[in-house]
Amino acid sequence: KQEVTQIPAALSVPEGENLVLNCSFTDSAIYNLQWFRQDPGKGLTSLLLIQSSQREQTSGRLNASLDKSSGRSTLYIAASQPGDSATYLCAVLPVNDYKLSFGAGTTVTVRA
Amino acid sequence: DAGVIQSPRHEVTEMGQEVTLRCKPISGHDYLFWYRQTMMRGLELLIYFNNNVPIDDSGMPEDRFSAKMPNASFSTLKIQPSEPRDSAVYFCASSQGPPGETQYFGPGTRLLVL
Repeated sequence: KQEVTQIPAALSVPEGENLVLNCSFTDSAIYNLQWFRQDPGKGLTSLLLIQSSQREQTSGRLNASLDKSSGRSTLYIAASQPGDSATYLCAVLPVNDYKLSFGAGTTVTVRA
Repeated sequence: DAGVIQSPRHEVTEMGQEVTLRCKPISGHDYLFWYRQTMMRGLELLIYFNNNVPIDDSGMPEDRFSAKMPNASFSTLKIQPSEPRDSAVYFCASSQGPPGETQYFGPGTRLLVL
């Protein structure tokens, strides 16, 4: 069974600092990995999707890397802003399953 | 497009009552997913549909839970009878392609069973 872990569970940084969020998974046989953002009381917004054959994806200030062999992904957010405060979840899609396995998330607070 | 629409946004009910959650996926999306989010278990997939047909319901916790998709623009998740441990946020999501494609989530229904 795929286990997805996100460390740390919470993170507080001053505005302008770069954010580094970690995600690890136990089974490297994945189809893809996605990073989501969840605001309080809201649904999930997909930020980046990395196919298993890719090493990274970039969108604006966001960059996600994937090391499938070591079971790790990292989400970098450059020059953080208070509007980046949210919970960030990673999810992996195993090769032999159609169910996304989610991590518990990292709750980020960016202080103005 | 308005995105995935869910109703109600909040539901408070008493144990033993029937609860029906509703979802309207994004037009043109062939896949619809129902998830449950709790502090203890995080996000779990309950069931998903492809072209209105249930494909995998192995995540449905008990027979008290049932889901239907009578047409491409509407799905329901029903809990009968409800129990306090069913209290959670229930999300509906849809995607245009297979489950590996980006899923678009609705705002969720926050359910409290007293």
